[in-house]
Amino acid sequence: AQSVTQLDSQVPVFEEAPVELRCNYSSSVSVYLFWYVQYPNQGLQLLLKYLSGSTLVKGINGFEAEFNKSQTSFHLRKPSVHISDTAEYFCAVSDPNTDKLIFGTGTRLQVFP
Amino acid sequence: GAGVSQSPSNKVTEKGKDVELRCDPISGHTALYWYRQSLGQGLEFLIYFQGNSAPDKSGLPSDRFSAERTGGSVSTLTIQRTQQEDSAVYLCASSLFEVRGYGYTFGSGTRLTVV
Repeated sequence: AQSVTQLDSQVPVFEEAPVELRCNYSSSVSVYLFWYVQYPNQGLQLLLKYLSGSTLVKGINGFEAEFNKSQTSFHLRKPSVHISDTAEYFCAVSDPNTDKLIFGTGTRLQVFP
Repeated sequence: GAGVSQSPSNKVTEKGKDVELRCDPISGHTALYWYRQSLGQGLEFLIYFQGNSAPDKSGLPSDRFSAERTGGSVSTLTIQRTQQEDSAVYLCASSLFEVRGYGYTFGSGTRLTVV
């Protein structure tokens, strides 16, 4: 079975500062990895995903993530955040055989002016 | 449709009543998923459909919860004899099961409040 751990429940940061949201996963099989963002009172939107190939994945809104197999991590980064990036961010893992997503508990990114 | 549509967007019901939540997926998406998001919690998997069948119902919390999908399209999640602990946002997503790793498209959710 797969599981996902998001180590930080909240991350406060000032506008234009860099940010890293941490995600670690556990799985006995190869997995696909995803980051989703949820803005207030909205559904989840796909930011980026890793399926195979290059371990550095670029997504929408300037976000990127790096897959590290030895550390079983998939941390999300952005070099300079904006107020509009304030949202809840979810890391997820899926079993390629079933495509079912298992989500972490989320990290609330709060960007201050 | 252009996106995943869920209705109602908000539902307040009295404890003990039955409720039905509807999900209309993206046209052509073969897989449909239901998740529950409680305050301060992550997303809890409930059930998924491949076509009209449900290969995995392992997340349904109790036998008060059931779901069906008809015509490979619209799905309904039914909660019987609602309890206060059922209060949550219920999210539906759809995907192309044939393209593994395609990613889900989520609806905006139904916020259920049991009073």
